[in-house]
Amino acid sequence: NAGVTQTPKFQVLKTGQSMTLQCAQDMNHNSMYWYRQDPGMGLRLIYYSASEGTTDKGEVPNGYNVSRLNKREFSLRLESAAPSQTSVYFCASSLDRGQGSIQYFGAGTRLSVL
Amino acid sequence: EDQVTQSPEALRLQEGESSSLNCSYTVSGLRGLFWYRQDPGKGPEFLFTLYSAGEEKEKERLKATLTKKESFLHITAPKPEDSATYLCAVQARSWGGSQGNLIFGKGTKLSVKP
Repeated sequence: NAGVTQTPKFQVLKTGQSMTLQCAQDMNHNSMYWYRQDPGMGLRLIYYSASEGTTDKGEVPNGYNVSRLNKREFSLRLESAAPSQTSVYFCASSLDRGQGSIQYFGAGTRLSVL
Repeated sequence: EDQVTQSPEALRLQEGESSSLNCSYTVSGLRGLFWYRQDPGKGPEFLFTLYSAGEEKEKERLKATLTKKESFLHITAPKPEDSATYLCAVQARSWGGSQGNLIFGKGTKLSVKP
């Protein structure tokens, strides 16, 4: 029972390079999320997808794009990476966005932008 | 503005020394308060959800409680394996689609020495 799977686990980019972080869940959840976690800042929401076919901005969306490819998969793209995007990125999913809906997290992608 | 503050930032305990972690919140209306545990290099793992003042939930050595302004995570007779960062998050009532989102505190890093 994999839950939420993120790839890659580690990535090093040069400034200006692009990349896509992949996320897949096998829990038949409707909602998916992308967060970044920085020292001293806590988890901050980048984008979310309430259901298949919809995406919305979170707290810190600048410099990122997302695609909800299907119900299982939600990808995060950095078009032109900047050192400020060095962070740990977490994908999460929840059954829906109702009251008390629990978010389940992947293991994270550790990204360094040089 | 909805806000979550956790204290202390770090806590060192001896094995068997009970203590509490604090999560204070300011939200327009609380839909739910969540506690997560995060081990180094891993994603957050769900522990508890609380909905209303006076509610309590327990799991092994952990007990979470909720008042109208804060939540406590009580750790009774901790063991070294309880060492982790504990995250608090709130789901707040808000206009539009964002009310399904979680607002995270910065976490409390707990170290339990044998």
